[in-house]
Amino acid sequence: DIVMTQSPDSLAVSLGERATINCKSSQSVLYSPNNQNYLAWYQQKPGQPPELLIYWASIRQSGVPDRFSGSGSGTDFTLTISSLQAEDVAVYYCQQYYSTPLTFGGGTKVEIK
Amino acid sequence: QVQLQESGPGLVKPSQTLSLTCTVSGGSISSGSYYWNWIRQSAGKGLEWIGRLYTSGSINYNPSLKSRVTISVDTSKNQFSLKLRSVTAADTAVYYCGRSGVSSQDYWGQGTLVTVSS
Repeated sequence: DIVMTQSPDSLAVSLGERATINCKSSQSVLYSPNNQNYLAWYQQKPGQPPELLIYWASIRQSGVPDRFSGSGSGTDFTLTISSLQAEDVAVYYCQQYYSTPLTFGGGTKVEIK
Repeated sequence: QVQLQESGPGLVKPSQTLSLTCTVSGGSISSGSYYWNWIRQSAGKGLEWIGRLYTSGSINYNPSLKSRVTISVDTSKNQFSLKLRSVTAADTAVYYCGRSGVSSQDYWGQGTLVTVSS
């Protein structure tokens, strides 16, 4: 299984400031034939299912604000919220879909400082 | 707009079988190239992928659950189902169904809490 490790477990950021979440996979999720990273990011608010933010490591899902961005390749990935808004308070998860079993990171809780 | 809705008992006794159904609306479960997934979320293990059904009918399971899980489809009702046998308290979780394309899961059901308790 590919193990996904997120850091930090939680972070508190002031409104308007940058939030950075890291995700590391135990093996590469870069598929060389198409040069795509099989990595997604989700946002989950209390009482709701996760919502897709980013796929292919850096492609924003339709309707996702451009303050959310994804970067990285191979085994190391980052989700950045460029200017934190109150509605961004949530838990964020990374997921690899390179191979089954599909696996998720443990989550990073983002709060307002 | 695709919508998914989980249904089934919220309480299951230990050693019995958990049975859930996901009803899909806004699109046919047998058209396109999609995976129809079951994922669960518990406080202890976070998000755990259980398995998936492909449009063609092929099925993949998480090896950690494979011996106890069956995923099936009823195209006439536009539904797919999950059966998890011999449940214990460790299977208590919110169970989600969802759809993914070649990439990630873009549609999720609202989730249903299943508690395993006598």
